[in-house]
Amino acid sequence: DAGVTQSPTHLIKTRGQQVTLRCSPKSGHDTVSWYQQALGQGPQFIFQYYEEEERQRGNFPDRFSGHQFPNYSSELNVNALLLGDSALYLCASSRLADTQYFGPGTRLTVL
Amino acid sequence: QKEVEQNSGPLSVPEGAIASLNCTYSDRGSQSFFWYRQYSGKSPELIMSIYSNGDKEDGRFTAQLNKASQYVSLLIRDSQPSDSATYLCAVNPLGSGNTGKLIFGQGTTLQVKP
Repeated sequence: DAGVTQSPTHLIKTRGQQVTLRCSPKSGHDTVSWYQQALGQGPQFIFQYYEEEERQRGNFPDRFSGHQFPNYSSELNVNALLLGDSALYLCASSRLADTQYFGPGTRLTVL
Repeated sequence: QKEVEQNSGPLSVPEGAIASLNCTYSDRGSQSFFWYRQYSGKSPELIMSIYSNGDKEDGRFTAQLNKASQYVSLLIRDSQPSDSATYLCAVNPLGSGNTGKLIFGQGTTLQVKP
């Protein structure tokens, strides 16, 4: 049984560019949450998707957007990248509000 | 005041000792509490969840919850060098509705010395 998968593993972008990160949830899970983890900090909630809709959003600007597909996989898009967007981006899957399980993450570096 | 607070550490304990990790939270209506372990460069891994006041044991790990004091802790018995990691406390606050949104502390770094 595959766990949560994310791609790519690492990504290097320059300021002003756009990036798309991808997540496939654990089998049987229908909800995907995205978190940003800066170095030395705990993960911060970006938003959550269920039934292809954004259910709740954290304190992140509109440059951060997402999508969920009918197969429950999800994308996180970040536009107009800033240096401060450099972080580990984590996807967590769950069955609705049940316990969340994290994927391996995508390390984004913005130069 | 941060929503979820942890001492960043490092907390250093000798091998075989009990490690005690603490966490306080500000939202009195919080319902669900989790401990995740994160090795350097890796993603968080769920260790324990706890929903009711009292203790919950799983192997060498015991989670303790005191909602009146807004306090949750994790005890690791017979600590091993492989337990050396950052331990993240996560809380599902009342205002999250039915989404299961998690608020994390900054994590406590545990070092277990052989």
